[in-house]
Amino acid sequence: KAGVTQTPRYLIKTRGQQVTLSCSPISGHRSVSWYQQTPGQGLQFLFEYFSETQRNKGNFPGRFSGRQFSNSRSEMNVSTLELGDSALYLCASSTGHLSGANVLTFGAGSRLTVL
Amino acid sequence: GESVGLHLPTLSVQEGDNSIINCAYSNSASDYFIWYKQESGKGPQFIIDIRSNMDKRQGQRVTVLLNKTVKHLSLQIAATQPGDSAVYFCAEIVGGSYIPTFGRGTSLIVHP
Repeated sequence: KAGVTQTPRYLIKTRGQQVTLSCSPISGHRSVSWYQQTPGQGLQFLFEYFSETQRNKGNFPGRFSGRQFSNSRSEMNVSTLELGDSALYLCASSTGHLSGANVLTFGAGSRLTVL
Repeated sequence: GESVGLHLPTLSVQEGDNSIINCAYSNSASDYFIWYKQESGKGPQFIIDIRSNMDKRQGQRVTVLLNKTVKHLSLQIAATQPGDSAVYFCAEIVGGSYIPTFGRGTSLIVHP
């Protein structure tokens, strides 16, 4: 079956702009999580959506937001971009079981460069 | 390919050797642990997991060892192959949660 698809794969923005990233989960997966990956901070949890509701949130400013649609596809938005937002943004889908056995399947990521 | 970490610990091995990647986790309340592999230009991929009520689990060419006393996790890869070259992350999940917290990662380089 198809894996997790993220678009766009690469994008370049300037400071102050906003960006929207898209994620299509594995068919049947109802949970979508977003992570930011940078060389300095590693993989940092942004938020998780399940059945169109944000179920969990990491420690990022309000400029980072997301949503999930009825078909489980998800988008994340970053407004008023800063240089430090340059990163690989990873989306992961899972069944959403509320237990440790909630294995994430990641997409290839969207590489954002802020100039 | 894309670089996922410029300051990662690096383990260099020869093809055919056994590799051991170590991870120190932070939370004594963590009860579930996962190893992920991230190849250049790709997202992390699940390798193997282990619950805190176990101290060892084996997969195909991989073994995970858990030492709760010292909060240490290791991933052993037998007969390492060039295709095993990647960054390896351990992740921990605190009991009652389901959100993994990832470690910094270790870069494994396998020389043919």
